[in-house]
Amino acid sequence: EVQLVETGGGLVQPGRSLKLSCVASGFTFNNYWMSWTRQAPGKGLEWVASITNSGGSTYYPDSVKGRFTISRDNAQNTLYLQMNSLRSEDTATYYCTRGFAYWGQGTLVTVSS
Amino acid sequence: DVVMTQTPPSLSVAIGQSVSISCKSSQSLVYSDGKTYLHWLLQSPGRSPKRLIYQVSNLGSGVPDRFSGTGSQKDFTLKISRVEAEDLGVYYCAQTTHFPNTFGAGTKLELK
Repeated sequence: EVQLVETGGGLVQPGRSLKLSCVASGFTFNNYWMSWTRQAPGKGLEWVASITNSGGSTYYPDSVKGRFTISRDNAQNTLYLQMNSLRSEDTATYYCTRGFAYWGQGTLVTVSS
Repeated sequence: DVVMTQTPPSLSVAIGQSVSISCKSSQSLVYSDGKTYLHWLLQSPGRSPKRLIYQVSNLGSGVPDRFSGTGSQKDFTLKISRVEAEDLGVYYCAQTTHFPNTFGAGTKLELK
């Protein structure tokens, strides 16, 4: 059974940093691209970042480019999202996804002073 | 960026009724490999999204065949035949043909 478990969310002040983790199980992690998608409270879905199965290439929307970094450790079956210079508009539940076929339970990031 | 326009924004239905949701993209979603990466997701209340359909018309694992997807290029439709209570929630279309990947604003399916 595919499982994606995110951790690392919490309350953080504007301008500070936070790193999310996602531990994957139930499939061969290094065979798949992985992504992060977020959902602001009461709002729709927004794609945040993707990484190729080797980790050699990464992709971001303009809204987070230069501030967020997606990475992975294939030996540990773990996906990461390093978020720097956080803004109030980054407040959201962050989901780890394998394509859109599998989603984690999400981790809430709140950016507020 | 590819804009995904979903209609209607909400639907009120009776159990057993059939409904359709439209999704139109601002650009063709046909990728260079000839495939069309248009997907449909359902987010039930308080839950993570779940993929229902991938590449326009392929049913996701464990998804009942009451769900069907059609369309091509820039115009797509999700049909739910014989709505059941477990189908209530917000439906999203999403494209992964182009970066950035983008989603429709959602269609909320509620009980009449």
